[in-house]
Amino acid sequence: KQEVTQIPAALSVPEGENLVLNCSFTDSAIYNLQWFRQDPGKGLTSLLLIQSSQREQTSGRLNASLDKSSGRSTLYIAASQPGDSATYLCAVLFSNSGYALNFGKGTSLLVTP
Amino acid sequence: NAGVTQTPKFQVLKTGQSMTLQCAQDMNHEYMSWYRQDPGMGLRLIHYSVGAGITDQGEVPNGYNVSRSTTEDFPLRLLSAAPSQTSVYFCASSYSKTGGGNQPQHFGDGTRLSIL
Repeated sequence: KQEVTQIPAALSVPEGENLVLNCSFTDSAIYNLQWFRQDPGKGLTSLLLIQSSQREQTSGRLNASLDKSSGRSTLYIAASQPGDSATYLCAVLFSNSGYALNFGKGTSLLVTP
Repeated sequence: NAGVTQTPKFQVLKTGQSMTLQCAQDMNHEYMSWYRQDPGMGLRLIHYSVGAGITDQGEVPNGYNVSRSTTEDFPLRLLSAAPSQTSVYFCASSYSKTGGGNQPQHFGDGTRLSIL
């Protein structure tokens, strides 16, 4: 079974720190990988999408990398702010799974002032 | 653009009742899907559709029906609600897989459903 794992499950950092969230997946044959943000009681907001042929994507203070051969992706958040507090979800679209996204269980991030 | 719109946002049902969760998108996306999100389980795919008139089952389809009569709408029907269907339901849409994998999936704000 294709699986997506996110470590750590929860993370608390002081404001201003740079931080890295990790995502690993069991099959290197992927179509793309998406990072989402979810605020409590809210929906999913797409942050970054990395195509299979790409190594990284950047948006503002966010940078996502992809290493298919090792089955890993990281989400780097620079100069964290309290407004970054949320749950971050990694979702992989495997090449042989149609359109079904396989989600990790998320990393709950708390940035303290 | 409204994106993906889900209604209602909240609903409480009694065991055995039926209801339809609505999902509409205005982006002319071919692909639409329904997920449920449960604590400790992550998001799991219920049903999906790759175009009008075409639907298929996901990982957890039992107890749910779908149909796709138009490109825009993809309703999810609970036939006879059970407490195990208490969850948050999300609808998602995207363009097809053509184009090299650069098409993100867009999610609605969710429907929070409680079955008593």
